[in-house]
Amino acid sequence: AQKITQTQPGMFVQEKEAVTLDCTYDTSDQSYGLFWYKQPSSGEMIFLIYQGSYDEQNATEGRYSLNFQKARKSANLVISASQLGDSAMYFCAPYLRRSTSGTYKYIFGTGTRLKVLA
Amino acid sequence: NAGVTQTPKFRVLKTGQSMTLLCAQDMNHEYMYWYRQDPGMGLRLIHYSVGEGTTAKGEVPDGYNVSRLKKQNFLLGLESAAPSQTSVYFCASSYGGQTKNIQYFGAGTRLSVL
Repeated sequence: AQKITQTQPGMFVQEKEAVTLDCTYDTSDQSYGLFWYKQPSSGEMIFLIYQGSYDEQNATEGRYSLNFQKARKSANLVISASQLGDSAMYFCAPYLRRSTSGTYKYIFGTGTRLKVLA
Repeated sequence: NAGVTQTPKFRVLKTGQSMTLLCAQDMNHEYMYWYRQDPGMGLRLIHYSVGEGTTAKGEVPDGYNVSRLKKQNFLLGLESAAPSQTSVYFCASSYGGQTKNIQYFGAGTRLSVL
């Protein structure tokens, strides 16, 4: 069974402040990493950041960073210095290896809608 | 820089009609995927392909068929559309593999079945 939990369906943050979006995963297949994607109102899915399960340091990409706690199966996205353009849906997606076929798959959470306030 | 291109962008069908969604990628990726996205839910995998000539079922394959005759194209077919297939459909591609297998997405196809 696979369960991806993003407990915050909606969040608000003031412009220029930092915000943390939560993600926990409970999966039976082996995890090789975790991705975060952004979906603005225009609808496209945009890759933000990735952390491998065996990476020792938390990943950072510009204003985005991951707080990855493998033992807790938690990978929270931190956005620093929020901008109005950060208003969007954010999805976490663990990257798993299927035990039956050996191929890989993503499982997407239900998302968190972030609104940045001016 | 086309990336992943989906056609059409919008479509309205009547129950029972058939249609094919086309996905094309120009990044020489091995893996391709079809997802659907419904309100309040994340993306759910319909079918995927790990290479030319291969396809496999995802989480929600019923009512859909796929083909990958050429490496750059992945087709999603609905043989007899149902209202439950009203959704936004996304195609994605990736190089495959164990680490940092970034999926690149198309812009989506919004399908309504009446």
